Amino acid sequence: KAGVTQTPRYLIKTRGQQVTLSCSPISGHRSVSWYQQTPGQGLQFLFEYFSETQRNKGNFPGRFSGRQFSNSRSEMNVSTLELGDSALYLCASSLARDGQETQYFGPGTRLLVL
Amino acid sequence: DQQVKQNSPSLSVQEGRISILNCDYTNSMFDYFLWYKKYPAEGPTFLISISSIKDKNEDGRFTVFLNKSAKHLSLHIVPSQPGDSAVYFCAATNTGNQFYFGTGTSLTVIP
Repeated sequence: KAGVTQTPRYLIKTRGQQVTLSCSPISGHRSVSWYQQTPGQGLQFLFEYFSETQRNKGNFPGRFSGRQFSNSRSEMNVSTLELGDSALYLCASSLARDGQETQYFGPGTRLLVL
Repeated sequence: DQQVKQNSPSLSVQEGRISILNCDYTNSMFDYFLWYKKYPAEGPTFLISISSIKDKNEDGRFTVFLNKSAKHLSLHIVPSQPGDSAVYFCAATNTGNQFYFGTGTSLTVIP
């Protein structure tokens, strides 16, 4: 099976712009989660989608939003970019069966805000 | 509020020796724990996991130990190899929907 794919891999934007990142989960996986990784902060949870519904949301401002399509692909949008939004954005997918499950990560999108 | 903590940002170990990476958590409701390995410019890769009903899980050179009373888990790598040099993240979940990650420990295995 193909792994989780994310596009684009790298992105440079300026303050005030908006950006959309895309994630295609592993075939058959219905849960998609998004994380922000910055140096020293580990992986900070943004939100999780399952069957086109946001099930969980982390502690990020409303400028960060997402959605999931019927084919489980997901997009993440950040509006009014700030310098502090520069980070690696990771997407992870899982089967979302009851009980324990494992998240599988994509390579990430590195966003630089100038 | 960091519910999963990795208090050692870095660790250096000689090749062939044991690497021990530690992780502490605060939420007693967590029932599933995972370790991920991350190389630069790549996403984290799943390494090994353990359910709260167990106290040990082994997979080749990798063993994870869970001490629920201390809310502590550790990853043992024996023997350590230079290719193990990476950043290791521990993660925990109680619903399978939201995962909480530590800040990572950078392991360097010295040849």
